[in-house]
Amino acid sequence: DVQLVESGGALVQPGRSLRLSCSASGFTFDNYAVHWVRQPPGKGLEWVSGINWNSGNRAYADSVKGRFTISRDNAKRSLYLQMNSLRPEDTALYFCAKDHGVGWGAFDFWGQGTLVSVSS
Amino acid sequence: QLVLTQSPSASASLGASVKLTCTLSSGPSSYAIAWHQQQPERAPRFLMTIYPDGSHKKGDGVPDRFSGSSSGAERYLTVSSVRSEDEADYYCQTWGSGIQVFGGGTRLTVL
Repeated sequence: DVQLVESGGALVQPGRSLRLSCSASGFTFDNYAVHWVRQPPGKGLEWVSGINWNSGNRAYADSVKGRFTISRDNAKRSLYLQMNSLRPEDTALYFCAKDHGVGWGAFDFWGQGTLVSVSS
Repeated sequence: QLVLTQSPSASASLGASVKLTCTLSSGPSSYAIAWHQQQPERAPRFLMTIYPDGSHKKGDGVPDRFSGSSSGAERYLTVSSVRSEDEADYYCQTWGSGIQVFGGGTRLTVL
């Protein structure tokens, strides 16, 4: 079975950094693009960033561009999100999602999420 | 600019059918979309991809009660024989060059 397990969420102060991880199993990780999606408390889903199968294509939402960096380690079957200069509006549940193909497409599996709270 | 529009809420009686709509903006009627279900306090779950020709591809274990269709810039999710567990938020998603977009979501209430 496909599994995506996020970790690294925490309560941090504005301006600080945090690194999220997503560990994948149950599928050939390096055959698929993967993404980060977030959901602020009581609100809808917002795509944050995505990376294609070989890290040759990375993209970011305007709201995080220049502050967040996505990366992956196919040997470790892991996805990462380095979040710098965190703001209160970055507070959300962060999900890892598997794309259905090597590039951009539908998200066909989701993790359970990890909570990031940015507050002084 | 790629924008998906969904009605904020919908309702259906137990055993009835309901059709949810996701509208693509600016006339990109050639885009496929995906539907995701998020039950309360749960992670989203992929339901299906709907293609411009109206065909759809479902995710693993998605019941036959869920079906999809398409007309012009609109993509639909129909839930037949609605059950209490179908009460959830439903999001549509589409993608373009270097971007992914979600609709605002429709909260389905089962009466």
